[in-house]
Amino acid sequence: KAGVTQTPRYLIKTRGQQVTLSCSPISGHRSVSWYQQTPGQGLQFLFEYFSETQRNKGNFPGRFSGRQFSNSRSEMNVSTLELGDSALYLCASSGYGSSYEQYFGPGTRLTVT
Amino acid sequence: EDQVTQSPEALRLQEGESSSLNCSYTVSGLRGLFWYRQDPGKGPEFLFTLYSAGEEKEKERLKATLTKKESFLHITAPKPEDSATYLCAVQAGRGGADGLTFGKGTHLIIQP
Repeated sequence: KAGVTQTPRYLIKTRGQQVTLSCSPISGHRSVSWYQQTPGQGLQFLFEYFSETQRNKGNFPGRFSGRQFSNSRSEMNVSTLELGDSALYLCASSGYGSSYEQYFGPGTRLTVT
Repeated sequence: EDQVTQSPEALRLQEGESSSLNCSYTVSGLRGLFWYRQDPGKGPEFLFTLYSAGEEKEKERLKATLTKKESFLHITAPKPEDSATYLCAVQAGRGGADGLTFGKGTHLIIQP
């Protein structure tokens, strides 16, 4: 079974720009979660989507948004980029039911200059 | 607010030298506690899920245990390839799904 894939793997953007990251979950998984990982703060939860609906959201400003499509693929968008948005953005997928394990993709490394 | 604290922050062991990593947590209604391994430049790799106090799970040289306040990841006779950052996370059971709350991790180095 193919794992979680994320594109692109690396991005360099300028402050003030916006960026869109993509995530394809494991086949059959309907839940997709997004996380931001930085050296100082570690892994922090951004939001989770299930069946095209945002089910939960972490403590991030409204510049961070996401969506999920009918095929469970998900995108996250960051508008008006700030230097502090430089991070590894990780996507994780999980099935629905008795198992809550989340399986992570390789991440997108975003650098804001 | 859910909190996860991992200790030590870093640990250097000789090959074959067994040890334990600690994960202390505070959460309102634990749905699950998760252990992940992360190698540099990669996403976290799932290791274990523990659901209730007293539960134990094993995989090769790793064994995870859970109490009501903490979890331990025991590493028996580690090898250099076990070097990685080990992350602990909790998921709260407040109805509806919640994201994982992660600790900062333990950076483990196994020297040959």
